[in-house]
Amino acid sequence: DAKTTQPPSMDCAEGRAANLPCNHSTISGNEYVYWYRQIHSQGPQYIIHGLKNNETNEMASLIITEDRKSSTLILPHATLRDTAVYYCIVRYEETSGSRLTFGEGTQLTVNP
Amino acid sequence: NAGVTQTPKFQVLKTGQSMTLQCAQDMNHEYMSWYRQDPGMGLRLIHYSVGAGITDQGEVPNGYNVSRSTTEDFPLRLLSAAPSQTSVYFCASDSTGTSGRETQYFGPGTRLLVL
Repeated sequence: DAKTTQPPSMDCAEGRAANLPCNHSTISGNEYVYWYRQIHSQGPQYIIHGLKNNETNEMASLIITEDRKSSTLILPHATLRDTAVYYCIVRYEETSGSRLTFGEGTQLTVNP
Repeated sequence: NAGVTQTPKFQVLKTGQSMTLQCAQDMNHEYMSWYRQDPGMGLRLIHYSVGAGITDQGEVPNGYNVSRSTTEDFPLRLLSAAPSQTSVYFCASDSTGTSGRETQYFGPGTRLLVL
């Protein structure tokens, strides 16, 4: 399964866009990129996922490079409640089911 | 929908004791998983199940047993608790499908301290 690399921490000013990068240079053609976040040791929360095209939902946008070796999660107007650990995950799938492999993620701190 | 529920929220055990962490989901999901998270680290997969009667090992299965007699429930049993099992345990579920199109939903976690 493809490994991901994320910076350990990032800061962002409240109201500004937060851009969280992720490298996944060994991703294979049928693997999706998922983003989750975890606030205060709560259960991880799904944010967004994509395969090739850029994706947007009510929470965030996901930009995937054309070669699919990296991606960026964009929170367009970060708030204090967006302070969390953000995990970039490449979805590993095998015939008996699918599962998530978590790395250490990026601690995003949104400052007032 | 209640989503994914876990009980208890907190538990303190003595070394050698056994216990069962409960997990239930009401979304009719076939896939269910158990993860553990140690301080400052990401989640690691313990066991997972792709449907009733089917379970498989994840990354760190030693010291844990699971069973899946119904679609809704996926209990995790600690056979003989050890201090190394002190952690936060998360249960997750997701729907069947292919090609990673599904999302996993996580429970609120069970905080376990083994003395």
